[in-house]
Amino acid sequence: GENVEQHPSTLSVQEGDSAVIKCTYSDSASNYFPWYKQELGKRPQLIIDIRSNVGEKKDQRIAVTLNKTAKHFSLHITETQPEDSAVYFCATNTGNQFYFGTGTSLTVIP
Amino acid sequence: DAGVIQSPRHEVTEMGQEVTLRCKPISGHNSLFWYRQTMMRGLELLIYFNNNVPIDDSGMPEDRFSAKMPNASFSTLKIQPSEPRDSAVYFCASTLWGVGNEQFFGPGTRLTVL
Repeated sequence: GENVEQHPSTLSVQEGDSAVIKCTYSDSASNYFPWYKQELGKRPQLIIDIRSNVGEKKDQRIAVTLNKTAKHFSLHITETQPEDSAVYFCATNTGNQFYFGTGTSLTVIP
Repeated sequence: DAGVIQSPRHEVTEMGQEVTLRCKPISGHNSLFWYRQTMMRGLELLIYFNNNVPIDDSGMPEDRFSAKMPNASFSTLKIQPSEPRDSAVYFCASTLWGVGNEQFFGPGTRLTVL
């Protein structure tokens, strides 16, 4: 089955700096890569996703890059703000179940 | 649409009691997932259904756990008997089967077993 690894497990950045979270996966059949944000006490919510035919996708301050050859994808948050503090999960999907990374706890220091 | 609905939102019970968690997926979605989240183990997939049929229950920890989906709009996760180590947040999520379709999570049920 799929194995998704996510790094780092914790990340602290100063407000305004950039944050990068990386994930690797093992199943070459994976072709959908969503990222979820989970605020304390709340449900995971999709913030951005990328499909295997696209190398990069941006949505305002958030971007995701995908390298299918190397089997890794990354989340980039620019100009971080305190409200970006949360746990972020990467995931992969082959059209069947979703496989989640172990999460990255991001803290943005004002 | 109200999104994925879960009940109860909080459950406190004593060890040995039966616990039933409920989920109503988004109308039109045909895949439903049950997850368990703890600090130690993160987000774990317990079981998922496609068109009301259980596809993969390899994540169900043991025979004390069972899940059903009698129709497209309702699923239950039952723990009998419950143990303190079952304390966690249980999420239900639904999606439309196929690649590239967003998975929507319910608000979760926080279970505490004393």
